[in-house]
Amino acid sequence: DVKVTQSSRYLVKRTGEKVFLECVQDMDHENMFWYRQDPGLGLRLIYFSYDVKMKEKGDIPEGYSVSREKKERFSLILESASTNQTSMYLCASSLQGFMNTEAFFGQGTRLTVV
Amino acid sequence: SQQGEEDPQALSIQEGENATMNCSYKTSINNLQWYRQNSGRGLVHLILIRSNEREKHSGRLRVTLDTSKKSSSLLITASRAADTASYFCATDAYGNNRLAFGKGNQVVVIP
Repeated sequence: DVKVTQSSRYLVKRTGEKVFLECVQDMDHENMFWYRQDPGLGLRLIYFSYDVKMKEKGDIPEGYSVSREKKERFSLILESASTNQTSMYLCASSLQGFMNTEAFFGQGTRLTVV
Repeated sequence: SQQGEEDPQALSIQEGENATMNCSYKTSINNLQWYRQNSGRGLVHLILIRSNEREKHSGRLRVTLDTSKKSSSLLITASRAADTASYFCATDAYGNNRLAFGKGNQVVVIP
């Protein structure tokens, strides 16, 4: 069974802390994504990676960075957490190619910054 | 920016009824996908329709795509309480395999 695993379901961090959200997939997918989900705003793309060490900014990259040192792992980093980064974070992966880009999602990490 | 916009935003129906939701998008696409999200969980892929297809079925799901109107609809027939979820459409409008999601459509099926 295909799997995308996020390291934490719930996380509480203090303002100013550096926060790492980890995501691992076991499907040998080239593409990996980080989205945040907020009520009324849907899913917004933060960063996208299409290969090891390759990344592209999404719609809302400010305050975030990412790391992809290995194909299976994609990390989202909040350099200095702020309360407006309290949100649900969703990681996803997919194969490359334009004909079948079904994305597989992790269970999500609900981050609260206090 | 959101490429997909679902309509209506919230739907409440009785078990056994059909649920229909619509999605509009703005730019050319290779495919359009629908996902389901149960409360507080990750998204699960339901169905993908390619730009050269007009209709697709999967179990109780029926998806249509009208590229001239840049719109899609998702029909769930004979709804069940377990269909209670949020439903999102997603397009590859950005290209390069990046999916853009709509704001979602909450469906509540009353037993």
